[in-house]
Amino acid sequence: GEDVEQSLFLSVREGDSSVINCTYTDSSSTYLYWYKQEPGAGLQLLTYIFSNMDMKQDQRLTVLLNKKDKHLSLRIADTQTGDSAIYFCAGQNSGYSTLTFGKGTMLLVSP
Amino acid sequence: ETGVTQTPRHLVMGMTNKKSLKCEQHLGHNAMYWYKQSAKKPLELMFVYNFKEQTENNSVPSRFSPECPNSSHLFLHLHTLQPEDSALYLCASSQDKPLSGNTIYFGEGSWLTVV
Repeated sequence: GEDVEQSLFLSVREGDSSVINCTYTDSSSTYLYWYKQEPGAGLQLLTYIFSNMDMKQDQRLTVLLNKKDKHLSLRIADTQTGDSAIYFCAGQNSGYSTLTFGKGTMLLVSP
Repeated sequence: ETGVTQTPRHLVMGMTNKKSLKCEQHLGHNAMYWYKQSAKKPLELMFVYNFKEQTENNSVPSRFSPECPNSSHLFLHLHTLQPEDSALYLCASSQDKPLSGNTIYFGEGSWLTVV
């Protein structure tokens, strides 16, 4: 099965850019997702990227995909205190019925 | 509001109790899921239902018993749980089994504490 790895913690100052990294093992992963989980809440889909894309931008969010290295990153521009949350990377193989999640990266944004 | 509603949001139960978690989706989806989120572990898939039929059981102990009476409702029946079963249980749904990038939508989760 697929393994998805993320760094566990990232701390940034308000206004800086945040970059959360993720690596995955299944080269046939078709879709890669980023979810956000705020304290006490469920998972919220932030964005996703198809494996035939290198980059996707959505307002303050930029997703970069390096298929050769099986590396995915999420960049948050102008990070705000409201962005403090746990961010999960997830991979999906079209041959399987669901997603494989990483352990999540806790992002702490300080004023 | 994601269209997936879970109740109760918080549940404390003893090891000899029987309780149930409920999930309802208002999105017209055909596939529903139970996930378990424990501290310091990746999110774990427990069960998958597609058109009310269970299509995956990820080696979940029998003290967890799912029920899907229709495509909009999913239950997780709990019986003689252990303290290590304390976790956040997340329900999710998607249009169909997530082939071709069908997005999975999650509920807020039910926090379960077993004492």
